[in-house]
Amino acid sequence: DSGVTQTPKHLITATGQRVTLRCSPRSGDLSVYWYQQSLDQGLQFLIQYYNGEERAKGNILERFSAQQFPDLHSELNLSSLELGDSALYFCASSPRGGTGLSGANVLTFGAGSRLTVL
Amino acid sequence: GQNIDQPTEMTATEGAIVQINCTYQTSGFNGLFWYQQHAGEAPTFLSYNVLDGLEEKGRFSSFLSRSKGYSYLLLKELQMKDSASYLCAVQNRDDKIIFGKGTRLHILP
Repeated sequence: DSGVTQTPKHLITATGQRVTLRCSPRSGDLSVYWYQQSLDQGLQFLIQYYNGEERAKGNILERFSAQQFPDLHSELNLSSLELGDSALYFCASSPRGGTGLSGANVLTFGAGSRLTVL
Repeated sequence: GQNIDQPTEMTATEGAIVQINCTYQTSGFNGLFWYQQHAGEAPTFLSYNVLDGLEEKGRFSSFLSRSKGYSYLLLKELQMKDSASYLCAVQNRDDKIIFGKGTRLHILP
Protein backbone atom coordinates (compact mmCIF):
# COMPACT_ATOMS: atom_id res chain seq x y z
CA ASP A 1 0.00 0.00 0.00
CA SER A 2 1.62 3.24 -1.20
CA GLY A 3 -0.54 5.46 0.99
CA VAL A 4 -2.17 7.12 -2.02
CA THR A 5 -5.80 6.03 -2.37
CA GLN A 6 -7.71 6.18 -5.63
CA THR A 7 -11.35 5.36 -6.18
CA PRO A 8 -12.98 3.76 -8.01
CA LYS A 9 -10.53 1.05 -9.15
CA HIS A 10 -12.61 0.22 -12.21
CA LEU A 11 -15.31 2.16 -13.99
CA ILE A 12 -17.29 1.28 -17.09
CA THR A 13 -19.49 3.90 -18.66
CA ALA A 14 -20.95 5.02 -21.97
CA THR A 15 -19.94 7.73 -24.41
CA GLY A 16 -21.28 11.13 -23.52
CA GLN A 17 -21.36 10.42 -19.80
CA ARG A 18 -19.49 12.14 -16.98
CA VAL A 19 -17.38 10.53 -14.25
CA THR A 20 -15.44 11.67 -11.21
CA LEU A 21 -12.21 10.06 -10.07
CA ARG A 22 -11.06 10.60 -6.53
CA CYS A 23 -7.60 10.67 -4.97
CA SER A 24 -6.42 10.96 -1.38
CA PRO A 25 -2.72 11.79 -1.15
CA ARG A 26 -0.24 10.18 1.19
CA SER A 27 -0.32 11.67 4.68
CA GLY A 28 1.85 14.79 4.79
CA ASP A 29 1.99 15.27 1.02
CA LEU A 30 0.69 18.59 -0.28
CA SER A 31 0.90 18.03 -4.03
CA VAL A 32 -1.34 15.92 -6.21
CA TYR A 33 -0.54 15.06 -9.81
CA TRP A 34 -2.90 13.44 -12.33
CA TYR A 35 -1.65 11.31 -15.22
CA GLN A 36 -3.45 9.44 -17.99
CA GLN A 37 -1.92 6.22 -19.29
CA SER A 38 -3.08 4.60 -22.49
CA LEU A 39 -1.34 1.79 -24.34
CA ASP A 40 0.34 3.85 -27.01
CA GLN A 41 0.93 7.12 -25.18
CA GLY A 42 2.62 6.25 -21.94
CA LEU A 43 2.04 8.40 -18.86
CA GLN A 44 0.62 11.74 -20.00
CA PHE A 45 0.77 14.57 -17.47
CA LEU A 46 -2.63 16.19 -16.99
CA ILE A 47 -2.49 18.60 -14.08
CA GLN A 48 -0.79 19.34 -10.76
CA TYR A 49 -2.15 20.90 -7.56
CA TYR A 50 -0.24 22.10 -4.56
CA ASN A 51 -2.02 22.85 -1.30
CA GLY A 52 -5.28 23.57 -3.06
CA GLU A 53 -3.92 25.64 -5.93
CA GLU A 54 -3.33 24.65 -9.52
CA ARG A 55 0.41 24.66 -10.20
CA ALA A 56 0.91 23.22 -13.66
CA LYS A 57 -1.17 22.06 -16.57
CA GLY A 58 -0.26 19.49 -19.16
CA ASN A 59 -2.23 17.95 -22.00
CA ILE A 60 -5.57 18.18 -20.23
CA LEU A 61 -8.61 18.41 -22.47
CA GLU A 62 -11.20 21.12 -21.92
CA ARG A 63 -13.74 18.37 -21.18
CA PHE A 64 -11.64 17.44 -18.15
CA SER A 65 -11.33 19.45 -14.96
CA ALA A 66 -9.85 18.89 -11.54
CA GLN A 67 -9.61 20.46 -8.12
CA GLN A 68 -7.89 19.92 -4.81
CA PHE A 69 -9.95 20.44 -1.69
CA PRO A 70 -8.94 21.92 1.71
CA ASP A 71 -8.41 18.42 3.10
CA LEU A 72 -5.97 17.91 0.17
CA HIS A 73 -7.92 15.17 -1.58
CA SER A 74 -8.38 15.77 -5.29
CA GLU A 75 -11.01 14.95 -7.88
CA LEU A 76 -10.64 14.63 -11.63
CA ASN A 77 -13.86 15.18 -13.56
CA LEU A 78 -14.17 13.78 -17.06
CA SER A 79 -17.20 14.81 -19.09
CA SER A 80 -18.68 14.16 -22.54
CA LEU A 81 -16.69 10.95 -22.53
CA GLU A 82 -15.38 9.53 -25.79
CA LEU A 83 -14.06 6.06 -26.61
CA GLY A 84 -10.54 7.46 -26.69
CA ASP A 85 -10.77 8.47 -23.03
CA SER A 86 -10.55 4.82 -22.02
CA ALA A 87 -7.32 4.62 -20.06
CA LEU A 88 -5.73 4.11 -16.69
CA TYR A 89 -5.79 7.32 -14.67
CA PHE A 90 -3.11 7.63 -12.01
CA CYS A 91 -2.91 10.05 -9.17
CA ALA A 92 0.44 10.67 -7.50
CA SER A 93 1.38 12.75 -4.49
CA SER A 94 4.56 14.38 -3.25
CA PRO A 95 5.53 16.56 -0.31
CA ARG A 96 6.26 19.64 -2.43
CA GLY A 97 5.24 21.41 -5.59
CA GLY A 98 6.95 24.22 -7.39
CA THR A 99 8.54 25.68 -4.32
CA GLY A 100 11.92 26.03 -5.98
CA LEU A 101 13.67 23.49 -3.82
CA SER A 102 16.50 21.41 -5.19
CA GLY A 103 16.55 17.66 -4.94
CA ALA A 104 14.23 14.89 -5.96
CA ASN A 105 10.49 15.47 -6.01
CA VAL A 106 9.66 11.77 -5.70
CA LEU A 107 6.12 10.89 -6.70
CA THR A 108 4.17 8.18 -4.90
CA PHE A 109 1.50 6.73 -7.15
CA GLY A 110 -1.89 5.33 -6.33
CA ALA A 111 -3.06 2.05 -7.84
CA GLY A 112 -4.96 3.84 -10.58
CA SER A 113 -8.53 4.04 -11.82
CA ARG A 114 -9.22 2.06 -14.98
CA LEU A 115 -11.86 3.79 -17.09
CA THR A 116 -13.56 1.96 -19.92
CA VAL A 117 -15.85 3.96 -22.19
CA LEU A 118 -18.20 1.87 -24.33
CA GLY B 1 8.67 22.12 -25.20
CA GLN B 2 9.82 18.88 -23.68
CA ASN B 3 10.74 15.67 -25.42
CA ILE B 4 11.82 12.38 -23.91
CA ASP B 5 12.87 9.40 -26.03
CA GLN B 6 13.51 5.84 -25.00
CA PRO B 7 13.31 2.52 -26.86
CA THR B 8 9.86 0.93 -26.96
CA GLU B 9 10.95 -2.62 -26.15
CA MET B 10 14.04 -4.58 -25.22
CA THR B 11 14.73 -8.23 -24.56
CA ALA B 12 17.46 -9.70 -22.38
CA THR B 13 18.37 -13.00 -20.77
CA GLU B 14 18.13 -13.90 -17.10
CA GLY B 15 21.46 -13.27 -15.37
CA ALA B 16 22.66 -10.84 -18.03
CA ILE B 17 23.10 -7.05 -18.02
CA VAL B 18 20.91 -4.61 -19.92
CA GLN B 19 21.19 -0.87 -20.50
CA ILE B 20 18.10 1.23 -21.21
CA ASN B 21 18.83 4.60 -22.76
CA CYS B 22 16.90 7.83 -22.48
CA THR B 23 17.47 11.13 -24.27
CA TYR B 24 15.65 14.31 -23.35
CA GLN B 25 15.16 17.92 -24.34
CA THR B 26 13.70 20.24 -21.76
CA SER B 27 13.93 23.72 -20.29
CA GLY B 28 14.56 24.28 -16.60
CA PHE B 29 16.01 20.81 -16.00
CA ASN B 30 16.06 19.86 -12.32
CA GLY B 31 16.72 16.15 -12.35
CA LEU B 32 15.93 12.86 -14.03
CA PHE B 33 14.06 9.89 -12.61
CA TRP B 34 13.72 6.26 -13.47
CA TYR B 35 10.56 4.45 -12.41
CA GLN B 36 9.64 0.78 -12.74
CA GLN B 37 6.12 -0.25 -13.68
CA HIS B 38 4.87 -3.83 -13.73
CA ALA B 39 1.92 -4.49 -16.03
CA GLY B 40 -1.31 -3.16 -14.57
CA GLU B 41 0.40 -1.71 -11.53
CA ALA B 42 1.51 1.74 -10.39
CA PRO B 43 4.97 3.09 -11.22
CA THR B 44 7.49 2.88 -8.38
CA PHE B 45 10.56 5.05 -7.88
CA LEU B 46 13.95 3.57 -8.78
CA SER B 47 16.47 6.39 -9.02
CA TYR B 48 17.12 10.13 -9.31
CA ASN B 49 20.07 11.90 -10.92
CA VAL B 50 20.67 15.63 -11.00
CA LEU B 51 24.46 15.77 -11.32
CA ASP B 52 26.52 14.15 -14.06
CA GLY B 53 27.74 10.68 -13.29
CA LEU B 54 26.73 7.26 -12.14
CA GLU B 55 24.52 6.48 -9.15
CA GLU B 56 24.60 2.86 -8.04
CA LYS B 57 21.92 1.19 -5.99
CA GLY B 58 22.29 -2.55 -5.70
CA ARG B 59 21.71 -4.27 -9.04
CA PHE B 60 20.47 -1.03 -10.59
CA SER B 61 22.60 1.96 -11.63
CA SER B 62 21.61 5.19 -13.34
CA PHE B 63 23.83 7.55 -15.31
CA LEU B 64 23.29 11.15 -16.36
CA SER B 65 25.03 13.50 -18.78
CA ARG B 66 23.35 16.90 -18.62
CA SER B 67 25.39 18.37 -21.47
CA LYS B 68 24.26 15.56 -23.78
CA GLY B 69 20.69 15.32 -22.49
CA TYR B 70 21.26 11.62 -21.94
CA SER B 71 20.68 9.06 -19.25
CA TYR B 72 20.74 5.31 -18.96
CA LEU B 73 19.51 2.72 -16.49
CA LEU B 74 21.75 -0.31 -16.07
CA LEU B 75 20.28 -3.49 -14.68
CA LYS B 76 22.68 -6.25 -13.66
CA GLU B 77 22.14 -9.92 -12.83
CA LEU B 78 18.71 -9.81 -14.41
CA GLN B 79 15.92 -11.72 -12.73
CA MET B 80 12.57 -12.75 -14.15
CA LYS B 81 10.86 -10.28 -11.80
CA ASP B 82 12.68 -7.45 -13.62
CA SER B 83 10.29 -7.94 -16.54
CA ALA B 84 8.48 -4.59 -16.48
CA SER B 85 8.33 -1.20 -18.14
CA TYR B 86 11.02 1.30 -17.22
CA LEU B 87 9.99 4.95 -17.37
CA CYS B 88 12.40 7.83 -17.78
CA ALA B 89 11.04 11.11 -16.39
CA VAL B 90 12.34 14.68 -16.25
CA GLN B 91 11.70 17.08 -13.39
CA ASN B 92 11.82 20.78 -14.14
CA ARG B 93 12.26 23.69 -11.77
CA ASP B 94 8.58 24.11 -10.98
CA ASP B 95 8.40 20.43 -9.97
CA LYS B 96 6.47 19.43 -13.06
CA ILE B 97 7.42 15.85 -13.95
CA ILE B 98 7.13 14.60 -17.51
CA PHE B 99 7.47 10.93 -18.40
CA GLY B 100 8.72 9.23 -21.51
CA LYS B 101 6.61 6.49 -23.08
CA GLY B 102 8.57 3.79 -21.27
CA THR B 103 10.65 0.79 -22.33
CA ARG B 104 9.09 -2.66 -21.99
CA LEU B 105 11.78 -5.07 -20.86
CA HIS B 106 11.26 -8.78 -21.52
CA ILE B 107 13.47 -11.25 -19.65
CA LEU B 108 14.01 -14.66 -21.19
CA PRO B 109 14.96 -17.68 -19.06
